[in-house]
Amino acid sequence: SAVISQKPSRDICQRGTSLTIQCQVDSQVTMMFWYRQQPGQSLTLIATANQGSEATYESGFVIDKFPISRPNLTFSTLTVSNMSPEDSSIYLCSVGEGAYEQYFGPGTRLTVT
Amino acid sequence: ILNVEQSPQSLHVQEGDSTNFTCSFPSSNFYALHWYRWETAKSPEALFVMTLNGDEKKKGRISATLNTKEGYSYLYIKGSQPEDSATYLCAPFYNQGGKLIFGQGTELSVKP
Repeated sequence: SAVISQKPSRDICQRGTSLTIQCQVDSQVTMMFWYRQQPGQSLTLIATANQGSEATYESGFVIDKFPISRPNLTFSTLTVSNMSPEDSSIYLCSVGEGAYEQYFGPGTRLTVT
Repeated sequence: ILNVEQSPQSLHVQEGDSTNFTCSFPSSNFYALHWYRWETAKSPEALFVMTLNGDEKKKGRISATLNTKEGYSYLYIKGSQPEDSATYLCAPFYNQGGKLIFGQGTELSVKP
């Protein structure tokens, strides 16, 4: 298993600003994932971040809005840029290999006013 | 677009009641099904990963079954306790795309 921490755990931000969320894992992992859960919706994959390459974004998500960094095998950041109230969500970092294992961080609860 | 449905959306039961939830998913290209338990402000906790048709898994008072041919899984909780209160998520993993697709979850509230 993997232990994952996220910072911040929650934040309230103003419209038009940006927030960077950090994800730290206690072991080296190849693949890291960023998810979002909007109120009343499913957990939705934003992008997959592999160390040494650009993140791969899912349909409906773009790099300009959600830039991701992956400087090493234990750390990643997700930035939510130019925020609007629709970005109010729980953002989760996850790590996993293949179909059988995926572990999640505790999430960042973001409210945009 | 793959659609994973969970029912009911929410469930309120008394302590000691047994409950069950349903997860329905497209069966084409299915590879594995994950069940998670998610308490507020905590990480989603992996409960089960199942792959084979007819699979049954058990962890304490919680058990799950899988039907890959018709695309559904049941999660059962026997003798619910207040500490079982959480959102239960199911997520099939597909060969095509190689990622988990989550349902909306079933929110369980157990009253003492």
